[in-house]
Formats: sequence, C-alpha cells, structure tokens
Amino acid sequence: EAGVAQSPRYKIIEKRQSVAFWCNPISGHATLYWYQQILGQGPKLLIQFQNNGVVDDSQLPKDRFSAERLKGVDSTLKIQPAKLEDSAVYLCASSLEGASFTEAFFGQGTRLTVV
Amino acid sequence: GQQLNQSPQSMFIQEGEDVSMNCTSSSIFNTWLWYKQDPGEGPVLLIALYKAGELTSNGRLTAQFGITRKDSFLNISASIPSDVGIYFCAGLENNNDMRFGAGTRLTVKP
Repeated sequence: EAGVAQSPRYKIIEKRQSVAFWCNPISGHATLYWYQQILGQGPKLLIQFQNNGVVDDSQLPKDRFSAERLKGVDSTLKIQPAKLEDSAVYLCASSLEGASFTEAFFGQGTRLTVV
Repeated sequence: GQQLNQSPQSMFIQEGEDVSMNCTSSSIFNTWLWYKQDPGEGPVLLIALYKAGELTSNGRLTAQFGITRKDSFLNISASIPSDVGIYFCAGLENNNDMRFGAGTRLTVKP
C-alpha cells in the first residue's frame, strides 16, 4: 500500500515569495492533516480536513497560510507571502474517517527554507 | 494550551545500554503517544497508551501512562544502532487536540 505522498521534498525561496506544497493521502483516507515542524520542535497542527471540509484550522495563520482539499482527496498548502520564520518541515498525514490520531500516517514532509 | 515538557533533549549512549525518556504535562491527557522520527522522514507511531497506569510494550520498547495522567515515559532496552533518531511524545486531550513534545534526540555509539 502506497504511503502519504508529498512534493516537493525541498524548497528554497526568498522572503515575500509564495510557495505551495502538495499532499496525496493514502487511498481511502478521509481525514488529512497538515503539520508544521520547526527545527528542534515537535510537529504543530495547522489544519485538519474531513473529506473536503475543514475540521480544525485554529492554528493556521490565515493572513498568509491557506489550504484546500477541493475534491476530498489530495490537498495543497500555500504560503503567501513567506516569512523567514516559516522555515520548517511541512508534514502531511492522513487517516481513515472516524479514526483517531493514533491511526494517522505521516508523509516524508517538505522542507522549506526561506532566505 | 497544555505545555508538554520532554526530557532529556538529547542522549548519547553506548550500544547495549538501556534508555529512558519522559514527558510531563501541565494538564491532563486522555491519550499518550510515542513516535520515532528518522532524518528526512515523518514520525512513525511506536506505542499508544489509553488508560492511566497502562504499561505497554512493543519489542524492546516499553511505555507507561502515568497515574496522574500528566506524564508518560518511554524505555528502550538493549539499544542498537538503528534506534538512533528523534523520539517524540504526544498527548491527546480530546480526539481533535494533539500536542507534541520537543523531542529527545538519541545517538547510539557502536
């Protein structure tokens, strides 16, 4: 079974530029999460989707971050404009509908460097 | 929100030694989770704990859910080189609010 796919693996941009990350969850997984992991810290939830609806986006900095999952399958996370402090690994995870966090699988992440 | 304190930040041990790390919280969790993250990979779940006092093993790994529900520990026995990585605790207050610790970086010297 294929795991959670994320692209790109690495991205370097200048501050004030825009960037987008893509996630394809495990087939059949209705729940999708985006996490931000700053170097030396644990992951922090940015947004959780159930199918194409947002369950929790309370920690998403909405002035510059946006995410969508229009068809309830793959998802994109966008930052516009990027700041230096956005440098982090952005992890996507997915789980079956109704499953708890314990049954979520993580992708390899996208490492973003803002210079 | 809840504060999760994970310690130690890093450990350097000799192959074959046992390892212990722990997490404490400022408030109560209903679930404690332990993950391992290898470089360039996402976290992988090692052990999940659901009840206060619960002690669960997964091979050489053993974790316990503290009786106060504010702490948990993870032990690794007879460490091997592939145990190298960052270990994270995570606590769930309810099904939609999971917080991660800052991680314990483990180095195992052959």
